[in-house]
Amino acid sequence: ETGVTQTPRHLVMGMTNKKSLKCEQHLGHNAMYWYKQSAKKPLELMFVYNFKEQTENNSVPSRFSPECPNSSHLFLHLHTLQPEDSALYLCASSQDWRAASTDTQYFGPGTRLTVL
Amino acid sequence: GESVGLHLPTLSVQEGDNSIINCAYSNSASDYFIWYKQESGKGPQFIIDIRSNMDKRQGQRVTVLLNKTVKHLSLQIAATQPGDSAVYFCAEKRPGTYKYIFGTGTRLKVLA
Repeated sequence: ETGVTQTPRHLVMGMTNKKSLKCEQHLGHNAMYWYKQSAKKPLELMFVYNFKEQTENNSVPSRFSPECPNSSHLFLHLHTLQPEDSALYLCASSQDWRAASTDTQYFGPGTRLTVL
Repeated sequence: GESVGLHLPTLSVQEGDNSIINCAYSNSASDYFIWYKQESGKGPQFIIDIRSNMDKRQGQRVTVLLNKTVKHLSLQIAATQPGDSAVYFCAEKRPGTYKYIFGTGTRLKVLA
């Protein structure tokens, strides 16, 4: 158990749908992350929040919209996605990347997204 | 460019043997490294980490070795078990940043 949960675990959506992915961490961390994992590619960082403030938007298309209402919850709102957006979306959390160089990221189980 | 790479995409080992998974990193300024294990259908799981001021760290059945001279990281798994079958990837981080550079992974297959 990593203490990071994600829902739903699987999601199939059409290109005109709007859906949201949810992440919750029970580790008392202050930083949360969204990653995209595609087959045979390294993890791609999408968004970073530290103490609820967004510190990274890694050139992610606007059809992905993050929301971080507090340090324990992170959402990824999806709309008008493309089939190439199909991937495993992973949430991670860490204590505070500004406080220590050894700031370990812990991952959730991911949401397997399929865009038709 | 900067990268973290794995030498072998697939490693098959006999149950009970020791496994060694290798990783090369390119940025000598990186000071923190992590090995993750990812089983099918699951998220990456933290296995072990090491700081750049160390060259070896041991956990339960796992050992990480760091050779800064050649910028090489390895994960050793003792007495490999079927439950060790997964993709393993390393990650490096430089000081003052939250950005990890992840490798693509090595698939470990444990043969009965």
